[in-house]
Amino acid sequence: GENVEQHPSTLSVQEGDSAVIKCTYSDSASNYFPWYKQELGKRPQLIIDIRSNVGEKKDQRIAVTLNKTAKHFSLHITETQPEDSAVYFCAASRQNYGQNFVFGPGTRLSVLP
Amino acid sequence: EPEVTQTPSHQVTQMGQEVILRCVPISNHLYFYWYRQILGQKVEFLVSFYNNEISEKSEIFDDQFSVERPDGSNFTLKIRSTKLEDSAMYFCASSEGSATSNTIYFGEGSWLTVV
Repeated sequence: GENVEQHPSTLSVQEGDSAVIKCTYSDSASNYFPWYKQELGKRPQLIIDIRSNVGEKKDQRIAVTLNKTAKHFSLHITETQPEDSAVYFCAASRQNYGQNFVFGPGTRLSVLP
Repeated sequence: EPEVTQTPSHQVTQMGQEVILRCVPISNHLYFYWYRQILGQKVEFLVSFYNNEISEKSEIFDDQFSVERPDGSNFTLKIRSTKLEDSAMYFCASSEGSATSNTIYFGEGSWLTVV
């Protein structure tokens, strides 16, 4: 089955700096890669996703890149703000709906003022 | 914006007792899921459900677990005889199930504490 690894497990950045979180996956059939942000005690919330026919996607300060050959994808947050502090999870799944999402172990991002 | 809703938000139960966690998925969604998150750990897949039957389940989803869609709106997770290690946050989720949208949306979670 699919296995998703995520690095780093914790990340501290100064406000205004960029943060990068990387994930690798094992199943070459996976073709949908969402990123979720989870604040303490809250539900995971989708912040951005990418499908395998696209190499990069951007939404304001957030971008995701995908390298299907190497089976890795990354989340980039620019101009970080204290409210970006949370745990970020990457996930991988197959596009055919109903397929379960396999989540990475998470990255705890702390943005220091 | 439509949301997945879950009840209860928090439940404390004695070991060996049965627990039912309830969820109302987003109304036009066709696929429903239960995920579990032990404190401080990653989100783990339990089961997916489509067209009134389980479409996939993980190793965690053993005979102690069952899911049901008792009516047109609710989706439930039952744990027959709870164990201490079942203590976790349980998230219900749903997705449209269309060919172009596989995004899943999570509920706020039900925090289960087994004592």
